[in-house]
Amino acid sequence: ETGVTQTPRHLVMGMTNKKSLKCEQHLGHNAMYWYKQSAKKPLELMFVYSLEERVENNSVPSRFSPECPNSSHLFLHLHTLQPEDSALYLCASSHPPDNEQFFGPGTRLTVL
Amino acid sequence: DQQVKQNSPSLSVQEGRISILNCDYTNSMFDYFLWYKKYPAEGPTFLISISSIKDKNEDGRFTVFLNKSAKHLSLHIVPSQPGDSAVYFCAASPDTGRRALTFGSGTRLQVQP
Repeated sequence: ETGVTQTPRHLVMGMTNKKSLKCEQHLGHNAMYWYKQSAKKPLELMFVYSLEERVENNSVPSRFSPECPNSSHLFLHLHTLQPEDSALYLCASSHPPDNEQFFGPGTRLTVL
Repeated sequence: DQQVKQNSPSLSVQEGRISILNCDYTNSMFDYFLWYKKYPAEGPTFLISISSIKDKNEDGRFTVFLNKSAKHLSLHIVPSQPGDSAVYFCAASPDTGRRALTFGSGTRLQVQP
């Protein structure tokens, strides 16, 4: 596989569930990102990892917990979410200092 | 308050004509700008970028213009093709901490055959 992949592509969960989103990049990049896109809103940066270290946390609620075990994989662990967390969650990667970020297809999350 | 604004949520043009998508920003620390294109059910795809040391960058049918004094950039697509129909996002970042991209809300372009 090439590029940035995300699984699952669609997820429906209840507010008491715990689930994880997975992102994998095959581009040899060393920075990875989680973005959230809600309906009719711009993409919002959630987390940035560089060389597996979290370098940015954009005031995201603690019910979202990222994990970056290595430079190719990024997870977003979800627990006790709210219906307003329903959105498209996009993963991206890049190779600084190049700033072009390459995006995965996203996970469409619905919280009931 | 949005630091990157795309004030036109949609644009419709005829095939073969020019498409002009606009973007305004408020943060004077931004000095690197990118355009992304997004099809339904796919992630955004990088299209073209420009650094603040330039006022124009061209790649095939796509040209990005930057007016720093007006804090405005635009993407020109000429000639427009039906396959260009997508949502276009403008993004910006400062030189320091270049990893953080701030996105606009997007413009949906429809190219009519």
